[in-house]
Amino acid sequence: GAGVSQSPSNKVTEKGKDVELRCDPISGHTALYWYRQSLGQGLEFLIYFQGNSAPDKSGLPSDRFSAERTGGSVSTLTIQRTQQEDSAVYLCASKGLEGPYEQYFGPGTRLTVT
Amino acid sequence: GQQVMQIPQYQHVQEGEDFTTYCNSSTTLSNIQWYKQRPGGHPVFLIQLVKSGEVKKQKRLTFQFGEAKKNSSLHITATQTTDVGTYFCAGPDGGSNYKLTFGKGTLLTVNP
Repeated sequence: GAGVSQSPSNKVTEKGKDVELRCDPISGHTALYWYRQSLGQGLEFLIYFQGNSAPDKSGLPSDRFSAERTGGSVSTLTIQRTQQEDSAVYLCASKGLEGPYEQYFGPGTRLTVT
Repeated sequence: GQQVMQIPQYQHVQEGEDFTTYCNSSTTLSNIQWYKQRPGGHPVFLIQLVKSGEVKKQKRLTFQFGEAKKNSSLHITATQTTDVGTYFCAGPDGGSNYKLTFGKGTLLTVNP
C-alpha cells in the first residue's frame, strides 16, 4: 500500500545516549537500505539487507552503529553512545527484487545530538 | 574507491532559463540513475539510463548517458519554480548489482 515509512521523524538526544530509528519498507520489497545524509551532502550508504542473506554492513561508520531486519520487513538502526557528529538525516529505502533498480525512499529521521 | 562527482554544486537561475547538471564517474558504469530531492523531502527516482549514448526525455527534462558510460547529464529546459531541489546521480558501486554510489548533488534554486 503506502510508501516507505520511518519513525520518529525527528529525534533530539543527548550525547552518549542510545537511539533507535525504525523503517517500515514497502510491502513485498525484499531489499532495504539505510543511508545517512548530512546537511548539504550526498547520501552515505550505511547498510543493505536482502531477504535472508547476510547484510552488507560495509558502510557502517563505527561499531556504535548496528541494524537489524526482523522477519524480512521492518528494520531498526541503532546508534549507541551517540556523538554530535552522528547528527544527520537517516534515510531508509526499499527496492523490489525484480524489475527496475529504483529505490523508494522514506521521509527520513532527522537526528540531532546535543 | 569509486567516485561519482557532480557539477555544479549549486545553480541559481531565473524562471524560464535552462539548467544543466553534470555527473562524472571515475569508472565505467553499467547504468546510471537520477534522483530529485525537494527541500525538506526525500530523494525520488527520476530515471535510469543503461545504454551507451542513451538519451531519454521526460517533458522538459533531458537525460544523457555518455558514450563511454562514465558521464551523464540532466538538462532542464525553461525551468519552473517546481524544479527547485537537489538533483543526484547515482551509479552501481564497483559493479555491484544492489549498491549505489551517489554524487553530492546539484542544488537548483529558481527565482520566479
